[in-house]
Amino acid sequence: GAGVSQSPRYKVAKRGQDVALRCDPISGHVSLFWYQQALGQGPEFLTYFQNEAQLDKSGLPSDRFFAERPEGSVSTLKIQRTQQEDSAVYLCASSLVRSGANTGELFFGEGSRLTVL
Amino acid sequence: SQQGEEDPQALSIQEGENATMNCSYKTSINNLQWYRQNSGRGLVHLILIRSNEREKHSGRLRVTLDTSKKSSSLLITASRAADTASYFCATGGGNKLTFGTGTQLKVEL
Repeated sequence: GAGVSQSPRYKVAKRGQDVALRCDPISGHVSLFWYQQALGQGPEFLTYFQNEAQLDKSGLPSDRFFAERPEGSVSTLKIQRTQQEDSAVYLCASSLVRSGANTGELFFGEGSRLTVL
Repeated sequence: SQQGEEDPQALSIQEGENATMNCSYKTSINNLQWYRQNSGRGLVHLILIRSNEREKHSGRLRVTLDTSKKSSSLLITASRAADTASYFCATGGGNKLTFGTGTQLKVEL
């Protein structure tokens, strides 16, 4: 596809349920990022992949959050035993360049809005 | 945690006027980027300025960077209703971009 694709766009989960959010980055993009955006706030970094390697997961808020990108393209963010404070928009972004000293332009998906009841 | 802080938090102007948003950040950077986010949508990259640059233009956008003051400004000239959105600065360094808290811009007809 032409852009970063995320699914589902909207997800409602009952507290305690597991959820999986999918990101399909732009073809050929090496870097993939997950961000969490609370209402009225800026995106907060969760994790970063360079190809299939998860190089930075410092932003994951708890061990209930897990991300993978097994073949270096599609990525899945999984949240286990969801809590109400997990309600947010989860944004995926990809970049052509390897991140590092010069983080390049990011291309964002439309996000997955998670509501935990 | 947010690296940058935009100022003002909200800005309302008339179409045709200029809009200026400011961003302050805390640590040293390699580059600074500005993004726009329409309500309910993803972020769209607007412009990138490197730490050794002081000013950059792109269409109706003008960005300045003052590394001594750890601040940047985004100027949108001749604003249009379609410019209504949230604007975020993001600082690059290490593995990620760190975003500020955003300025909500409303351009009224």
